[in-house]
Amino acid sequence: ETGVTQSPTHLIKTRGQQVTLRCSSQSGHNTVSWYQQALGQGPQFIFQYYREEENGRGNFPPRFSGLQFPNYSSELNVNALELDDSALYLCASSSLAGGPVGEQYFGPGTRLTVT
Amino acid sequence: LAKTTQPISMDSYEGQEVNITCSHNNIATNDYITWYQQFPSQGPRFIIQGYKTKVTNEVASLFIPADRKSSTLSLPRVSLSDTAVYYCLVVLSSNTGKLIFGQGTTLQVKP
Repeated sequence: ETGVTQSPTHLIKTRGQQVTLRCSSQSGHNTVSWYQQALGQGPQFIFQYYREEENGRGNFPPRFSGLQFPNYSSELNVNALELDDSALYLCASSSLAGGPVGEQYFGPGTRLTVT
Repeated sequence: LAKTTQPISMDSYEGQEVNITCSHNNIATNDYITWYQQFPSQGPRFIIQGYKTKVTNEVASLFIPADRKSSTLSLPRVSLSDTAVYYCLVVLSSNTGKLIFGQGTTLQVKP
């Protein structure tokens, strides 16, 4: 069973630039959620994708967007980067078909630094 | 979703039992209590979930009183590798994937 993987591991961008982060979900999982975790804080829900459609969104502006592909992998795109976007971005996969409610499998995250 | 309150930090020593209590006064009938563990530079990991009474797995036990307004995560005989942040979450039974994390409890296990 392959776990959740994310790329890249680290990334440094300049304010105003755009970034794309990638996630491969765990085998058999059709749902991917993205979270932003600032230093010293708990993860904050950005949005979720289920079968290539957005299936819920947190309190993040439209410059945060995403995609899910037929193989259930996913991308998080952030436009017009701001200094406050510096954080650990976590991807989590799950299956709505079974398992404990609320059980999600998280990847190791991508550390984004905006200068 | 019900808000959760848990201690910001706790210290313990190797071999001791650690109990982390979480308050969720406004928990709804269809909510489950869920705990995650997060090590530095890693994503959170699901530990345990319960609805009422006691749940035990190979990692931890979860105690939930009858009124369900609080819960206690119990870690038996902790080791240095249990040093992590522990998050208590309330999850709706029809969960659509939006997990609400608080600040969590930072557990420091000392030798």
